[in-house]
Amino acid sequence: TQLLEQSPQFLSIQEGENLTVYCNSSSVFSSLQWYRQEPGEGPVLLVTVVTGGEVKKLKRLTFQFGDARKDSSLHITAAQPGDTGLYLCPPGNTPLVFGKGTRLSVIA
Amino acid sequence: NAGVTQTPKFRVLKTGQSMTLLCAQDMNHEYMYWYRQDPGMGLRLIHYSVGEGTTAKGEVPDGYNVSRLKKQNFLLGLESAAPSQTSVYFCASSLSLYGYTFGSGTRLTVV
Repeated sequence: TQLLEQSPQFLSIQEGENLTVYCNSSSVFSSLQWYRQEPGEGPVLLVTVVTGGEVKKLKRLTFQFGDARKDSSLHITAAQPGDTGLYLCPPGNTPLVFGKGTRLSVIA
Repeated sequence: NAGVTQTPKFRVLKTGQSMTLLCAQDMNHEYMYWYRQDPGMGLRLIHYSVGEGTTAKGEVPDGYNVSRLKKQNFLLGLESAAPSQTSVYFCASSLSLYGYTFGSGTRLTVV
């Protein structure tokens, strides 16, 4: 099982601020997925990163996979209340093993 | 597109009662999964299936049974519910290594 640490565990910011969430491990990942779970709902897949150094953008969200494929980050620009949720980054091996995630609260 | 549908959405059980949670997907996905989510614990895998007629144990399988008689359905059973099984249960499906599609969850309380 590939163990992964997410940081920070909790983050509360004002609308319009920028933030970065990190996923780190000592293991090499073949791929990694990012999910967002809004309160009362199931997680929703945001992106899958596969190649070391890969950068993917989804509107104001930028995902980066480390060159060595041991870490990943999610940067949100100008956060909005709709970004509030639990962000999860399980390594992409089926079945997925989820960590505790980063709980983000964006205050209007 | 319905995606993954879980029924029921809410349920209250008494200790010792049994129940079955139903998960249905209409995406022709081979893989299906049951997770439970508890405060401070994250999502934990209960059982999963890699195809019709197959099941496998996950991280926390005790007290649960599953069946995958049809490709589109994955049933999670609690034979004798315990308060420790109070949780939110999520079903998901996927095409092997591709991303998961989750249902909206079943909130179960065992009193």
